[in-house]
Amino acid sequence: AQKVTQAQTEISVVEKEDVTLDCVYETRDTTYYLFWYKQPPSGELVFLIRRNSFDEQNEISGRYSWNFQKSTSSFNFTITASQVVDSAVYFCALRGDSNYQLIWGAGTKLIIKP
Amino acid sequence: DTGVSQDPRHKITKRGQNVTFRCDPISEHNRLYWYRQTLGQGPEFLTYFQNEAQLEKSRLLSDRFSAERPKGSFSTLEIQRTEQGDSAMYLCASSQTWKGDEQYFGPGTRLTVT
Repeated sequence: AQKVTQAQTEISVVEKEDVTLDCVYETRDTTYYLFWYKQPPSGELVFLIRRNSFDEQNEISGRYSWNFQKSTSSFNFTITASQVVDSAVYFCALRGDSNYQLIWGAGTKLIIKP
Repeated sequence: DTGVSQDPRHKITKRGQNVTFRCDPISEHNRLYWYRQTLGQGPEFLTYFQNEAQLEKSRLLSDRFSAERPKGSFSTLEIQRTEQGDSAMYLCASSQTWKGDEQYFGPGTRLTVT
């Protein structure tokens, strides 16, 4: 069975603080893909990043960075110097090589206060 | 560059009525997905098409639900004899050929069954 757990239901920080969103996954597939999506109040899901199971390199994109650790089955997302526009629900998702559907976490609601 | 589009954006219907939603994927994408999302939850997979072939269906897709992608381009999702429990956001996504490729989502159709 495949599963994605986002234990943090809601996080609230003050603007300019750094914040890390946790994602833990379970899968029996040896090849799999991990994703982060952002869902702002407008509702449309926005793709942020894909990570393949065979590529454990961490990635940085501007203020965003992702830490993939197979040993702990985690794919955490850090926003540095948060801004009010970062306020959204963030979803972590998993796709195993044995099927085509994305398995989603419950999401973490991030509130950035000015 | 046009993204995934969905029509209508909102639909209010009375219990027992049939509804049909349309999704137009990104033009070069041959894979198309339908998801359902209720408030405070991550999306739930409903079904998947590769070109015109429906390759995967969730058990969530009861007999009242049917999806088509007749020419491998746009897709329709029909719900017959709607129930109040069908009220949700219905999301369409598309992607390119290889399994790890990220899915791009449309704005969704919000269905309210009264």
